[in-house]
Amino acid sequence: EAGVTQFPSHSVIEKGQTVTLRCDPISGHDNLYWYRRVMGKEIKFLLHFVKESKQDESGMPNNRFLAERTGGTYSTLKVQPAELEDSGVYFCASSPGRENRYGYTFGSGTRLTVV
Amino acid sequence: AQSVTQLGSHVSVSEGALVLLRCNYSSSVPPYLFWYVQYPNQGLQLLLKYTTGATLVKGINGFEAEFKKSETSFHLTKPSAHMSDAAEYFCAVSGVNNQGGKLIFGQGTELSVKP
Repeated sequence: EAGVTQFPSHSVIEKGQTVTLRCDPISGHDNLYWYRRVMGKEIKFLLHFVKESKQDESGMPNNRFLAERTGGTYSTLKVQPAELEDSGVYFCASSPGRENRYGYTFGSGTRLTVV
Repeated sequence: AQSVTQLGSHVSVSEGALVLLRCNYSSSVPPYLFWYVQYPNQGLQLLLKYTTGATLVKGINGFEAEFKKSETSFHLTKPSAHMSDAAEYFCAVSGVNNQGGKLIFGQGTELSVKP
């Protein structure tokens, strides 16, 4: 089966611009998560979708970040306007079950650089 | 609140030597525990997980970890390091039935293997 796919793999944008990251989870996985790793720090949870609904968005840094999951399939994470501190690696993960007893499958990540 | 501490941001071992990567957690409820590995330019890959049952868990590539509740630890070991083990390793915790299973990560440990 295909894994979790993230696009683009790298993005370099100027401060103030808009960037949209995309994640395609494993087919049939209702749970989709976004995480971020800022340089030198730990990987941090951003939000969790169950199908198309936001289950937990407690990790979203501020209202410049907007996540959507159209029809419960792929998800997008938009940053508008981007700031320097948004630079980092954004990971997407999916899982079939809510309790995470299976462990997630992660994508390869999108490395975002804001200059 | 849950948290994870990985002792040592960088660990260096010789090829053939024992690998020991330390992880301690805090959790008010019995947790699920995970080790993930990230090879250069790749995504996070699940090495092993503890959910319930046997406290010694075997994973891929010869790694294993032991859940010690009394010590709140989940250290990762491998008897004999191989050059291909060079990567960054992340310990993570999630609670059973908590908030949809989001992961709390440690800071990561970079493992170097010397010839």
